[in-house]
Amino acid sequence: EVHLVESGGGVVQPGGSLRISCVASGFTFRSYWMTWVRQAPGKGLEWVAIIKQDGGDKLYVDSVKGRFTISRDNSQNSVYLQMNTLRADDTAVYYCARGGYFPSSHLDNWGRGTLVTVSS
Amino acid sequence: DIQMTQSPSALSASVGDRITITCRASQYIRNSLAWYQQKPGKAPKLLLFGASKLEGGVPSRFSGSGSGTDYTLTISSLQPEDFATYYCQQYYDTPQTFGQGTKVDIK
Repeated sequence: EVHLVESGGGVVQPGGSLRISCVASGFTFRSYWMTWVRQAPGKGLEWVAIIKQDGGDKLYVDSVKGRFTISRDNSQNSVYLQMNTLRADDTAVYYCARGGYFPSSHLDNWGRGTLVTVSS
Repeated sequence: DIQMTQSPSALSASVGDRITITCRASQYIRNSLAWYQQKPGKAPKLLLFGASKLEGGVPSRFSGSGSGTDYTLTISSLQPEDFATYYCQQYYDTPQTFGQGTKVDIK
């Protein structure tokens, strides 16, 4: 059974940094593109970033480009999101989701999410 | 970026009703369209992908159709566990984008 477990969320001041993690199990992690999706309180879903199987290709939504960095460690079955220069509008639950063998794939498994709150 | 316009934003229905939610893309997305269900405090759950392919374990009362830019999600006979928020998503191009959601509640 596929499991994705996010961690590392918390409260951070505006301008601060945070790294969140997602540990995967139940499938061959290195074979899949992995994605971060976020959801601000009471709002809809927003795709944030995606990373290729080998970590060589990374794509971001415009609102986080230059501030967020997605990475992965296939030896640890983990994907990360380093978030710098955080703003109040980055406050959200961040979900890790499994894509497919290609970047243009639906997201078939999701973690439970980790809450990031940016507030002074 | 491809914009996804979902309608209605909310609807009230009764158990046993047939409901339809529509999603329109701002450009061609070649059936690269998924539907997700989300309940309060939970992660989204994949229902359909490729516009009409049912994810394993999803009841057959859920169906999807469409092509080009216009797509629909239909629930043939609403069950109590179906009251939730539904999102469409295009994965034809990055950034992948979601519709704004449709909240289905009990009439």
